[in-house]
Amino acid sequence: RKEVEQDPGPFNVPEGATVAFNCTYSNSASQSFFWYRQDCRKEPKLLMSVYSSGNEDGRFTAQLNRASQYISLLIRDSKLSDSATYLCVVKSGNTGRRALTFGSGTRLQVQP
Amino acid sequence: DTGVSQDPRHKITKRGQNVTFRCDPISEHNRLYWYRQTLGQGPEFLTYFQNEAQLEKSRLLSDRFSAERPKGSFSTLEIQRTEQGDSAMYLCASSLGVGENTIYFGEGSWLTVV
Repeated sequence: RKEVEQDPGPFNVPEGATVAFNCTYSNSASQSFFWYRQDCRKEPKLLMSVYSSGNEDGRFTAQLNRASQYISLLIRDSKLSDSATYLCVVKSGNTGRRALTFGSGTRLQVQP
Repeated sequence: DTGVSQDPRHKITKRGQNVTFRCDPISEHNRLYWYRQTLGQGPEFLTYFQNEAQLEKSRLLSDRFSAERPKGSFSTLEIQRTEQGDSAMYLCASSLGVGENTIYFGEGSWLTVV
């Protein structure tokens, strides 16, 4: 089983739609959680961190459920420029494991 | 540009040849990471340095792969006797360390083994 699992999509949505992505992680010792965005053939870039109480950044809302080991990302009022792959990312709290573990990504295509 | 820079950006090589990639991290960052990404997959961790010390290596990093960060600044990733399965984007990233969770990626080095 992969440490971080995501639905690969693609999610094809019209402009203005609300879309939600989910992600599950297997390591209960994971302590930090993020969503990264990756455009085609470009490097991943941090979209937002995910906090236990949930957090919002403009049209983007991230939620964390530690009991279910589940992370979500909600995008409201989708824009064409939101088309990208969204990577769920987890950082383990185990000592010696300093790197981030990435999911395979969920592809979003926003259509006019 | 003060971001993470990688060189070369693209490399086509014949199977069996050696290739080396270079990464220059953001100047004050003491942590440096190498990841590999193939089509349809997320980045997979290869190795990580704190200053010049290589603190962790993934099982993915076979004997043909070696990474160095000799003075705690730039890093190199060498692949010996390349195989077609090595074709991927090799991503370097850096972070400030000590409580800093955000890592910043370079634009990647694309390797095609023919």
